Amino acid sequence: SAVISQKPSRDICQRGTSLTIQCQVDSQVTMMFWYRQQPGQSLTLIATANQGSEATYESGFVIDKFPISRPNLTFSTLTVSNMSPEDSSIYLCSVEGLTSGGYGELFFGEGSRLTVL
Amino acid sequence: KQEVTQIPAALSVPEGENLVLNCSFTDSAIYNLQWFRQDPGKGLTSLLLIQSSQREQTSGRLNASLDKSSGRSTLYIAASQPGDSATYLCAVRIGNTGKLIFGQGTTLQVKP
Repeated sequence: SAVISQKPSRDICQRGTSLTIQCQVDSQVTMMFWYRQQPGQSLTLIATANQGSEATYESGFVIDKFPISRPNLTFSTLTVSNMSPEDSSIYLCSVEGLTSGGYGELFFGEGSRLTVL
Repeated sequence: KQEVTQIPAALSVPEGENLVLNCSFTDSAIYNLQWFRQDPGKGLTSLLLIQSSQREQTSGRLNASLDKSSGRSTLYIAASQPGDSATYLCAVRIGNTGKLIFGQGTTLQVKP
C-alpha cells in the first residue's frame, strides 16, 4: 500500500482567506483524487488530479474555488479559496495502488481538518 | 445515478459477537467495491477490495461478499473486539475516472 502524507493535518482559518493542502505519496501513482467529508457526512469526490494537465472536477465543484496542482506523480495540492464556514470539512487525498489490470485499491491520507470561522 | 446505502446506521454489540454490515447500490455497473474503516477524526483505512468479477474476499476476521446482480455487499466481522469500534464505509467504483461513491457508513461500537 502507498504511504500518503497530508499537510496540514488541521487548521483554523478566517473567512475570506485561502488555504493550500499538500499531499505527498511515497511512490509514483497514476491516479490521485481529492475528496471532501463535511461534518457528519460521507465522502464526496471533488476532483481527479491529473499530472501535467488541468484537474477533472465533479459536478458542483469549480476550479476557481478549488484549484488543484499536480506537478509530478508523487505530489498534489488542493487550495480552498475565499473560504466560508460552509467549507469547514475534512479534505482527503486518495491514490490508487498498483494494479495488474482494471482499477486497483484506493488508499487515503489522514486528511486535513479545516475549520473556518 | 448510483446511490449507495448502508444499513444499519449504527450498531452496538457485546465483545465476541459475530456481526454483519450491509451495503446496497442501485446500479450494478461497478468496477469494484471497497470497504473502509474510519476512526473518529482520522482518514480511511482500506479493509477489503472486491473486483466486480469476484464474489468474496477475506482478511483475517473480516469477510466481504459481493452480489452484483442484486446490488448488495456484506461485511462479516467474526469475534468482534472493542478495537473494531469505528465507522465502516462501503464504496463502489464507477465511471471512466474510477470515482468512488460512498455510503453513509455504519458506526459500530463493540462493548467490552
